[in-house]
Formats: sequence, structure tokens, C-alpha cells
Amino acid sequence: GQNIDQPTEMTATEGAIVQINCTYQTSGFNGLFWYQQHAGEAPTFLSYNVLDGLEEKGRFSSFLSRSKGYSYLLLKELQMKDSASYLCAVAGGNTDKLIFGTGTRLQVFP
Amino acid sequence: ETGVTQTPRHLVMGMTNKKSLKCEQHLGHNAMYWYKQSAKKPLELMFVYNFKEQTENNSVPSRFSPECPNSSHLFLHLHTLQPEDSALYLCASSQENEQYFGPGTRLTVT
Repeated sequence: GQNIDQPTEMTATEGAIVQINCTYQTSGFNGLFWYQQHAGEAPTFLSYNVLDGLEEKGRFSSFLSRSKGYSYLLLKELQMKDSASYLCAVAGGNTDKLIFGTGTRLQVFP
Repeated sequence: ETGVTQTPRHLVMGMTNKKSLKCEQHLGHNAMYWYKQSAKKPLELMFVYNFKEQTENNSVPSRFSPECPNSSHLFLHLHTLQPEDSALYLCASSQENEQYFGPGTRLTVT
């Protein structure tokens, strides 16, 4: 079967670093995506990993290990506006089809 | 206008009504998608269109009927829905890897 697992909720303090993990089991793999979704808004693209390693983009970084079926999203210097749901999604055998996890709701406190 | 737009943003309908959701993308993408997002559940892919041709129907009940008249427009026709169909319906488009989402239509079936 196809499965994406990520924690349901996380909390962190403003200015801190938080790591959101995602594990996956899919029948094919053409890349892993992270999206951010604020309440009542559309998901917005954060990162795409298709090769092993770390991709850094400003305060956000995403890591992938294909052999372990594992990824994480690292958020540094947290800001209040980072409070949102973070969705992990895997492109299976065809990048047209994304399989999403349930999302991790991150709350940042002052 | 830029990006992906969806109308209406909110819709309340009875189980015997017929209504349509509209999605328009201004990005020149070739692929368009319908997703359903229910509370505490992963984003569920419903339909995929590539160059106006339906390439994916993810076992969606026939009370949901998609239409893609051209690469920029996508409709979801709704009839005789059930209360459990109440959800956020998201449209997305893509050219290669990254999918761009619209703001969604919040549908309530009474």
C-alpha cells in the first residue's frame, strides 16, 4: 500500500528551530514535496527533493533519504507567521499524482 | 489575474441540488487537478487532466463529474451529494513538478 506518516501537531517557540519528519512507503518515487497551508488558505509550495541530501532555501531546509523512505522539513528562526499546517507529499510513479500525508499543524508561541 | 482562481469560495447546497465549481489557471500549465480536503484527513486526489484529457479518476463517485473544456479551465459538476461530501475542494495546476493550488471552495451539503 501507499502511506505517508507525519506527526499531527507540533509546538515551538518564536526564534527556535523545529524539525518536522515524514516517512513514506509508496509503490514508486519521483520526488517528495513540502507544502505550507495556513488555515483557510491554499497550500503553497515550499520544497522539492528528488535526490538524497539537504536542500536549503532561506530559513527552510528539506532533507531526503530515499533508502530510508524519510524526509524532514527544518524551519529556523521561527516566526509567528510560520504557524500553519505543513504537508508532506510524495510523487509516485507519475509526478502528476501526489500522495499527501495528513499534515503537521505547527503552532509557534511567543 | 495571476495564479489559480476558484469560484465560488463558499457554497451551501441541499442534497437534491445541482451546482458547479469552477477553476481557472493563468499560468499556462498543461495539467489540472481536483482535490478534496476533509478535516483531519490527507488531501485526496480526485481527478487529473493533462492537455484537457482525463488521465486519472481516483475512484470518485459519479455524483462528481469533472469537465475540462481547455487547458485553462476546469469544472466540477455536483449533483445529489451527501453530507459527507462537505469539504474543501481544491484545484491545482502544474507544468512539471510543482503544483500550484487555488484557494479552494468550502462546500457544505445540508
